[in-house]
Amino acid sequence: AQKITQTQPGMFVQEKEAVTLDCTYDTSDQSYGLFWYKQPSSGEMIFLIYQGSYDEQNATEGRYSLNFQKARKSANLVISASQLGDSAMYFCAMREAHAGGTSYGKLTFGQGTILTVHP
Amino acid sequence: KAGVTQTPRYLIKTRGQQVTLSCSPISGHRSVSWYQQTPGQGLQFLFEYFSETQRNKGNFPGRFSGRQFSNSRSEMNVSTLELGDSALYLCASSWAKNTEAFFGQGTRLTVV
Repeated sequence: AQKITQTQPGMFVQEKEAVTLDCTYDTSDQSYGLFWYKQPSSGEMIFLIYQGSYDEQNATEGRYSLNFQKARKSANLVISASQLGDSAMYFCAMREAHAGGTSYGKLTFGQGTILTVHP
Repeated sequence: KAGVTQTPRYLIKTRGQQVTLSCSPISGHRSVSWYQQTPGQGLQFLFEYFSETQRNKGNFPGRFSGRQFSNSRSEMNVSTLELGDSALYLCASSWAKNTEAFFGQGTRLTVV
């Protein structure tokens, strides 16, 4: 069974500094996708970044980058130049692409990390 | 391009009632999946629909059901509501395997 582990319940960072949020995963599938989402207090789940298991390069989206280490089964999110608006809950999630299956959408989430950015 | 739209945003129901939540995916997306988020259990998968067929189902009682229409819009229904059903219900849409999944703003259900 797939599992996502986020070991940091809370993280603090100074504005304009970089921060790394940890995520490890467990799966027996060879094909899968890894996601990071941001959830502010309003509740909306905002997509940040995606990494496919066969992607050779780490994904980047603006200030967000995903440090993908396949052998270690880790997919850490790096936020550069933190801003006050980055304060939120962050979730790591995984989707397995079942061989021959048509399941597109089942995401398994970690417990989340609350990030607080200090001015 | 419009995002994923969930209605209503907020809902208050009484125990024993039933409720229907709606999700309109991004245009062109055929997969819709639903999640329940509570402080105690975190985010849990409810079910996934693709081309009007349920493809996958999470570990929830039969009181939770859903369907998808030909235009990919999806509804989920909860019958005989219990206090523990109070949660944020999120839906996500995708257009293919191994692509991004985008969420709506959620429906916050309170059962009293």
